[in-house]
Amino acid sequence: DAKTTQPNSMESNEEEPVHLPCNHSTISGTDYIHWYRQLPSQGPEYVIHGLTSNVNNRMASLAIAEDRKSSTLILHRATLRDAAVYYCILSRSGQGGSEKLVFGKGTKLTVNP
Amino acid sequence: NAGVTQTPKFRVLKTGQSMTLLCAQDMNHEYMYWYRQDPGMGLRLIHYSVGEGTTAKGEVPDGYNVSRLKKQNFLLGLESAAPSQTSVYFCATLRGNTDTQYFGPGTRLTVL
Repeated sequence: DAKTTQPNSMESNEEEPVHLPCNHSTISGTDYIHWYRQLPSQGPEYVIHGLTSNVNNRMASLAIAEDRKSSTLILHRATLRDAAVYYCILSRSGQGGSEKLVFGKGTKLTVNP
Repeated sequence: NAGVTQTPKFRVLKTGQSMTLLCAQDMNHEYMYWYRQDPGMGLRLIHYSVGEGTTAKGEVPDGYNVSRLKKQNFLLGLESAAPSQTSVYFCATLRGNTDTQYFGPGTRLTVL
């Protein structure tokens, strides 16, 4: 499985944008980039995913580099509820196979009031 | 819709005891997964199932067994619990040909 590299921790202030980086230099052409987050004492929850183009949803935006070797999760206005561990994961999804997600340690985001 | 539920929420075992964790889903998803999460670590895949009656090993399967007799249930068994199995266990599901895993709330297991 291709690996991802994320900073251990990041801090942000409430109401400000947050850019969470992820490096995946060994990504293959069929790997999707997924982001999940885990709030304290809860199970992970899906945030967003993409393949090549930038993606937006109600939770966040995903910016993918042209060479696909890195991506950035963008929270446009951080709230205290966004404090969580964010995981960047590669998966050959969408093909109906055994989609095992390999979770690393993620980035712990602290949001200051 | 309850989504993904896990039973029990908490459990304390003595070394050598056995137990079964139950994951139930009402979303009719084909794929189900068991992960464990140790303090300060990411999730690690124990076993998974791509459909009723099928199971496969993940990255840390030793000491665990699983069964998927019904599509909606995925059982994780510990035959002889060890302190190294103290962890939080998460179940997840995924609908075939989609990209999103849905996680349960977790089971916190302590083995003394």
